[in-house]
Amino acid sequence: DTGVSQDPRHKITKRGQNVTFRCDPISEHNRLYWYRQTLGQGPEFLTYFQNEAQLEKSRLLSDRFSAERPKGSFSTLEIQRTEQGDSAMYLCASSQPGLDADTQYFGPGTRLTVL
Amino acid sequence: AQSVTQLDSHVSVSEGTPVLLRCNYSSSYSPSLFWYVQHPNKGLQLLLKYTSAATLVKGINGFEAEFKKSETSFHLTKPSAHMSDAAEYFCVVSETGRRALTFGSGTRLQVQP
Repeated sequence: DTGVSQDPRHKITKRGQNVTFRCDPISEHNRLYWYRQTLGQGPEFLTYFQNEAQLEKSRLLSDRFSAERPKGSFSTLEIQRTEQGDSAMYLCASSQPGLDADTQYFGPGTRLTVL
Repeated sequence: AQSVTQLDSHVSVSEGTPVLLRCNYSSSYSPSLFWYVQHPNKGLQLLLKYTSAATLVKGINGFEAEFKKSETSFHLTKPSAHMSDAAEYFCVVSETGRRALTFGSGTRLQVQP
């Protein structure tokens, strides 16, 4: 399978715990994006990387959230001191350089439940 | 600022009848427009993309969408619904120079036998 992969697919945690999610983009895609989707809503943009540089962050990305892409390949999204409001599906997407750079391909998501 | 309005939260059709999912957008510049589909417990799949080459865009699984600048609309259609089309559909806009996609709130399509 050469699509975007995310791990884990499901995560249940208690309020106040830290969680980390991983995203592996499509090979040779230099751009990587994180989105959050709550029940009944469309995904909302969180942050964007081009290679290892984090170039844009949404105001939704509070200081409890941090994302990294240290070698320009996979990315991690960490949420510290989780709150019940963090419960959502966290989606990762990637896109290739060039003319089709605005077409994003999504992974299956990580569903986070904060108890 | 860009925004997307999906005019129907739920659409129900009978199998074999036409599908129309409505979308209006707001964008300061020439946008790219997309339709994505999300089946239960599956990732978002790209159906089609408009980038100004042609106003009528054909996508996968028999879907197509027409870009109407005067109406700022990008409605999704399919001549004949299939049971497997039941899913959530998202209209999405991307402004030139911005990397973030802006999603509509989604339309849930039900297909009755």
